Amino acid sequence: GIQVEQSPPDLILQEGANSTLRCNFSDSVNNLQWFHQNPWGQLINLFYIPSGTKQNGRLSATTVATERYSLLYISSSQTTDSGVYFCAVDFIQGAQKLVFGQGTRLTINP
Amino acid sequence: GAVVSQHPSWVICKSGTSVKIECRSLDFQATTMFWYRQFPKQSLMLMATSNEGSKATYEQGVEKDKFLINHASLTLSTLTVTSAHPEDSSFYICSATRDRNTEAFFGQGTRLTVV
Repeated sequence: GIQVEQSPPDLILQEGANSTLRCNFSDSVNNLQWFHQNPWGQLINLFYIPSGTKQNGRLSATTVATERYSLLYISSSQTTDSGVYFCAVDFIQGAQKLVFGQGTRLTINP
Repeated sequence: GAVVSQHPSWVICKSGTSVKIECRSLDFQATTMFWYRQFPKQSLMLMATSNEGSKATYEQGVEKDKFLINHASLTLSTLTVTSAHPEDSSFYICSATRDRNTEAFFGQGTRLTVV
């Protein structure tokens, strides 16, 4: 069936380090989004990126649709970057619904 | 980005009572709204998809008579948890999109505790 897999499940880094989070998906997509869930549960939209590369400040993302993966890069990590990062995919074969990966829990230590 | 507002942010109710959660798109018309549930330290699981003016489509394993969804307008969807039990305690989150192939935006979530 359709699947979204994120890696690593947990990542612990020191402040200032760079990180790369990966999202693999099993089929062709209409939509792919990256979110950051803050401690209060709010999902913050990071990128809407079904293909290509985008950058927003210290964050950037790349989706290679033909190879079915997406990467989220965080540079010069800050403690406020801590939280859970989710990749969510709307598959072409699906019924217009975002399927979420299991998330990557990022902890940035001072 | 667009704004989706969810209310209430948290609610505590007694077992056997019903709770209604509202989801509003404040600055755009949402053809489709979605309801998710999230248990502690887990991912978001889709419960149902609702389109304005039509019946909601529920995911497998979600009881439609227990989780009533009404999509009364292009800016409002409600989720009513009927006859709530402690196992219904969870974090419920809604999202909305203008149409397919556009970005989805999420509400703040509602933390439901059934005692």
